[in-house]
Amino acid sequence: GAGVSQSPRYKVTKRGQDVTLRCDPISSHATLYWYQQALGQGPEFLTYFNYEAQPDKSGLPSDRFSAERPEGSISTLTIQRTEQRDSAMYRCASSRGTQETQYFGPGTRLLVL
Amino acid sequence: QKEVEQDPGPLSVPEGAIVSLNCTYSNSAFQYFMWYRQYSRKGPELLMYTYSSGNKEDGRFTAQVDKSSKYISLFIRDSQPSDSATYLCAMKGGYQKVTFGTGTKLQVIP
Repeated sequence: GAGVSQSPRYKVTKRGQDVTLRCDPISSHATLYWYQQALGQGPEFLTYFNYEAQPDKSGLPSDRFSAERPEGSISTLTIQRTEQRDSAMYRCASSRGTQETQYFGPGTRLLVL
Repeated sequence: QKEVEQDPGPLSVPEGAIVSLNCTYSNSAFQYFMWYRQYSRKGPELLMYTYSSGNKEDGRFTAQVDKSSKYISLFIRDSQPSDSATYLCAMKGGYQKVTFGTGTKLQVIP
């Protein structure tokens, strides 16, 4: 595609519910990153994929957070049993390779009530 | 202490001024240094990408890296109202994790 797309753009959920966020990277980009960005802060690394492999998930805040990229293209980030502190902007980025420029998507703003 | 420190601003300058944005860092393993621009309600977009110490110029933008002082800068010459945005420094070592600063909000007043 022309750029990185994410859906939904906004998600409001109740505490305790599970949510799944989707990222559609630039086609042919091998590497995909997930970040969490709080208001007034820079993006915080969560995890990344190289094709379908997930070499680093050290940034995931707890085991309630998981990410998948089963076919090396679209990725999902799932947050189980959401908590209010999970409210943030979740951004996806993709790059051609691991040392290449990252292109960011518009983000999904998650609000947990 | 955060690995990357950046003054959040806001920084307000008149149109045409030279803007200086800075970050300091503590991790000596960082080798790649980036500046991103983020407009309101948009994702960050890469402005400058430098490797190791030195200067890099691109149009009105100049990035400087001083690894000995663990200090990086972005200069914007002849600033324009369209430069009003949040500027994020970012850096990484040989691994893939990118560490961002908090961002400096810049306003260029016509």
